[in-house]
Amino acid sequence: AQTVTQSQPEMSVQEAETVTLSCTYDTSESDYYLFWYKQPPSRQMILVIRQEAYKQQNATENRFSVNFQKAAKSFSLKISDSQLGDAAMYFCAYLGMIGNEKLTFGTGTRLTIIP
Amino acid sequence: EAGVAQSPRYKIIEKRQSVAFWCNPISGHATLYWYQQILGQGPKLLIQFQNNGVVDDSQLPKDRFSAERLKGVDSTLKIQPAKLEDSAVYLCASSSRASNTEAFFGQGTRLTVV
Repeated sequence: AQTVTQSQPEMSVQEAETVTLSCTYDTSESDYYLFWYKQPPSRQMILVIRQEAYKQQNATENRFSVNFQKAAKSFSLKISDSQLGDAAMYFCAYLGMIGNEKLTFGTGTRLTIIP
Repeated sequence: EAGVAQSPRYKIIEKRQSVAFWCNPISGHATLYWYQQILGQGPKLLIQFQNNGVVDDSQLPKDRFSAERLKGVDSTLKIQPAKLEDSAVYLCASSSRASNTEAFFGQGTRLTVV
């Protein structure tokens, strides 16, 4: 079974600074997707960024970028120029592309932005 | 494009009572997920549908939880009888290959069992 591990329960960063959230996963599959979702206090889960395992290039979405290390099964999220609106829970998630295509989440990292 | 709709937003029940949650996924999305999210934890998959068929319910407590997806569209999740430890947010999400696998989530239902 696939597992997703987020080892940082909480992180904080000064506004306008850069922060990196860590995620590792375990799988025997070669084809899969990885995601970072943001969950603000309103509870609505919002997709931040997506990475396809067959793509070597790291995904980037404006201030958000990932460092995808397939061999190490590592998928970290870097937030540049942190803003107050970035404060939320961040979840790393794995989606296998073979069989059931189950979307599995990590335990989350609570990000606090310090003004 | 309308998002994933869930109702109710909040529900408070006494233990041993029953409760049902409703989810209307995005039109055309074949995959529908129900997650349980206990406060401070990540979402745990309860059941996954592909159209109206169940593809994964390995973590669904089948002695008390049930779910169905009528005609491959709307879905209901039921708990009967509820226990205190069922207090959580229940999230519904849907996805499709056409959406490039992105799962779209509803706002969830917060259940409190007292």
